[in-house]
Amino acid sequence: DSGVTQTPKHLITATGQRVTLRCSPRSGDLSVYWYQQSLDQGLQFLIQYYNGEERAKGNILERFSAQQFPDLHSELNLSSLELGDSALYFCASSQKNTGELFFGEGSRLTVL
Amino acid sequence: AQSVTQLDSQVPVFEEAPVELRCNYSSSVSVYLFWYVQYPNQGLQLLLKYLSGSTLVKGINGFEAEFNKSQTSFHLRKPSVHISDTAEYFCAVSPTGSARQLTFGSGTQLTVLP
Repeated sequence: DSGVTQTPKHLITATGQRVTLRCSPRSGDLSVYWYQQSLDQGLQFLIQYYNGEERAKGNILERFSAQQFPDLHSELNLSSLELGDSALYFCASSQKNTGELFFGEGSRLTVL
Repeated sequence: AQSVTQLDSQVPVFEEAPVELRCNYSSSVSVYLFWYVQYPNQGLQLLLKYLSGSTLVKGINGFEAEFNKSQTSFHLRKPSVHISDTAEYFCAVSPTGSARQLTFGSGTQLTVLP
């Protein structure tokens, strides 16, 4: 158990819909990262938050957005969903500035 | 920017045989190096990391890796694998500067055969 909690574990929805994925980092970790894992793209960095502020952006689509709340949990919002958005979305957290990340078990999104 | 190349997408080996999973990286800045393992239907778990110091790093489950700066490689090794080592293994790099996000390789599926 990494200490990072993600909900929901599985989500099935239709094209055009909007979903929210939630992540609770390890106790004391200030940084939260979101990654997307798909068969064709592999593991792609989406976005990082540090103590409530956006710190870095990766290959995140404009239809996607995220935020980190004062209690440090984070949400990833995916809108106008397309079939190609079907993937496993991981959240990770870290405390030290070493790049060592602790990953949650992921939220599997299926868009039909 | 950084990039990571894992040269083998699939590596089948027999139980108790040695294994090496290859990883090469490219970066214009200094990096930290990591190996993560992903078991079926689970998240990624850190196997080992190289931050500085000795180029031979030991991780969990008997794995070790050697950082070779001249060859920009960070190959993962285990002298004797078990069935339970069957999983996908990801090599990753992170710049040592202010950015912390990991760049992952495409992964190597290790399958240990009885």
